[in-house]
Amino acid sequence: DAGITQSPRHKVTETGTPVTLRCHQTENHRYMYWYRQDPGHGLRLIHYSYGVKDTDKGEVSDGYSVSRSKTEDFLLTLESATSSQTSVYFCAISDGGLAGSEQYFGPGTRLTVT
Amino acid sequence: DAKTTQPNSMESNEEEPVHLPCNHSTISGTDYIHWYRQLPSQGPEYVIHGLTSNVNNRMASLAIAEDRKSSTLILHRATLRDAAVYYCILRAGYYGQNFVFGPGTRLSVLP
Repeated sequence: DAGITQSPRHKVTETGTPVTLRCHQTENHRYMYWYRQDPGHGLRLIHYSYGVKDTDKGEVSDGYSVSRSKTEDFLLTLESATSSQTSVYFCAISDGGLAGSEQYFGPGTRLTVT
Repeated sequence: DAKTTQPNSMESNEEEPVHLPCNHSTISGTDYIHWYRQLPSQGPEYVIHGLTSNVNNRMASLAIAEDRKSSTLILHRATLRDAAVYYCILRAGYYGQNFVFGPGTRLSVLP
């Protein structure tokens, strides 16, 4: 299995509080992605990174920011959590950014915003 | 982004082959066809991908129609561990960032 960990694995927080989720990889892969998964929507891309300090927005980026200061870590921040951000969040990595490359997913973080 | 359509659910008997269909009639020439699966409470797992030619790996085979408007994931001998949601995805974009998961096909494997 690809070396991807996510922390925390579960979190409950209140509306309006900031939340940071961490994705850590030991594979030295260049590309990293954050997705959210909600019933009826499959997985949707939030942000992605194509190198240290190189990030861009995905399909559902509003209300989220990311940072990547080193290859192994990709942080997802909810500046002010809302109930609509209750979801399961998955991080993924890839050693090739092109469309023909595989992605490896982490175990997920279940976030509940009350 | 090009979209895919899959049946909501399928059933198979254990140790029999399974053919999971996917339609992608608006596929573009640079879209790769990827298949992932997801077991309950786990992250998606890569299964196979291809561009134009049929592909085989240790997990499955991917048959791509000549016009690329449809594809079929083939599990040669289904096991109970293959029960999962299977996603057919078209991946595009310079950084492969156009990677849209639909609702997928829930495969049940009967003993």
